[in-house]
Amino acid sequence: DARVTQTPRHKVTEMGQEVTMRCQPILGHNTVFWYRQTMMQGLELLAYFRNRAPLDDSGMPKDRFSAEMPDATLATLKIQPSEPRDSAVYFCASANRDSPHRTQYFGPGTRLTVL
Amino acid sequence: QKEVEQDPGPLSVPEGAIVSLNCTYSNSAFQYFMWYRQYSRKGPELLMYTYSSGNKEDGRFTAQVDKSSKYISLFIRDSQPSDSATYLCAMSASNYQLIWGAGTKLIIKP
Repeated sequence: DARVTQTPRHKVTEMGQEVTMRCQPILGHNTVFWYRQTMMQGLELLAYFRNRAPLDDSGMPKDRFSAEMPDATLATLKIQPSEPRDSAVYFCASANRDSPHRTQYFGPGTRLTVL
Repeated sequence: QKEVEQDPGPLSVPEGAIVSLNCTYSNSAFQYFMWYRQYSRKGPELLMYTYSSGNKEDGRFTAQVDKSSKYISLFIRDSQPSDSATYLCAMSASNYQLIWGAGTKLIIKP
């Protein structure tokens, strides 16, 4: 059963601390997306990668957020320093660039609370 | 104005009713249209996918795309309490970046 996995599922931290979220895309998928979801803003695209190269990170606050894909099985999203306004659910999604579809498959999310 | 407009609801209907969920969009370049379902505290899951105009049916679900009106719909027949969720529409032009609606919260009352 192929699925996207994310760790941790929940994270509570204090303002100013570094937060690292990890994602394992579906095996064979070569496009990975990071989203943030809040009640107010809905789903916001933060960044996405194709074949591990960043294609677009315009949705990400550059001064505190960074996204990387060190290998094909791992994507990371870091926040340093974290702020209370970063509290949200962060989703990773993956897609197969070689498929004629544009469908994305989502992980279960990391629920982040910054106190 | 957002590229994709979707009424956030909530939409409350009795069990067994036909549900109609809709999105409008402004970008005529959109060709790929999707509906995702999101249960509380879960990630969105793909429900239906259509390319260009027309209808697609899958069990109790029917997706319709009217490109001339820039309007897409999702119909749910014989609605069940388990269909209670938030339904998000998403669409794309030629790249792989999806543009999302805000999501409609659907409540099916037993």
